[in-house]
Amino acid sequence: EAGVAQSPRYKIIEKRQSVAFWCNPISGHATLYWYQQILGQGPKLLIQFQNNGVVDDSQLPKDRFSAERLKGVDSTLKIQPAKLEDSAVYLCASRTTRRETQYFGPGTRLLVL
Amino acid sequence: GQQVMQIPQYQHVQEGEDFTTYCNSSTTLSNIQWYKQRPGGHPVFLIQLVKSGEVKKQKRLTFQFGEAKKNSSLHITATQTTDVGTYFCAGRRNNRKLIWGLGTSLAVNP
Repeated sequence: EAGVAQSPRYKIIEKRQSVAFWCNPISGHATLYWYQQILGQGPKLLIQFQNNGVVDDSQLPKDRFSAERLKGVDSTLKIQPAKLEDSAVYLCASRTTRRETQYFGPGTRLLVL
Repeated sequence: GQQVMQIPQYQHVQEGEDFTTYCNSSTTLSNIQWYKQRPGGHPVFLIQLVKSGEVKKQKRLTFQFGEAKKNSSLHITATQTTDVGTYFCAGRRNNRKLIWGLGTSLAVNP
């Protein structure tokens, strides 16, 4: 079984630029999460999708972050414009609706200069 | 604010020594999950505890869920260098939101 795929793996941008991350969850996983993990901290949930609907986006900074999962499979997370404090690893995770186990992708390491 | 506390933040042990990390919640949890993240890697699911007082073992790892379902622990017996990483607990409250601890980073001297 293929795991959660994410791209790019690394991204360096300057502040005020825009960036987008892509996630392809495990086939059949209806639930998809985007997390932000700052160095030395635990994952912070940004948004949770159930199929193509948003379940929880309470911690998503909506003035600059957006995410979509139009067809209920792949998802993109966008930051526009980026700030220095957005430097982090952005993790995508997925799971089935029947089990609690979340499967994480390798993450995208973002550095904002 | 942070509602799931993990201690210690860091632990440095000699190979062969035991290691324990504790997770404490301010509210009752419906379940708690444990994840391991190797340096430079992503979190990998270890186990989920659901029942009050539950104890589960995975080889040298022992996981416990407190009677009040507000705390949990992970104990590693006779650590090995392969145990290096950060161990996270993540508790789920009744409203279905999963709250992550800040993790305990384990370093093992060979």
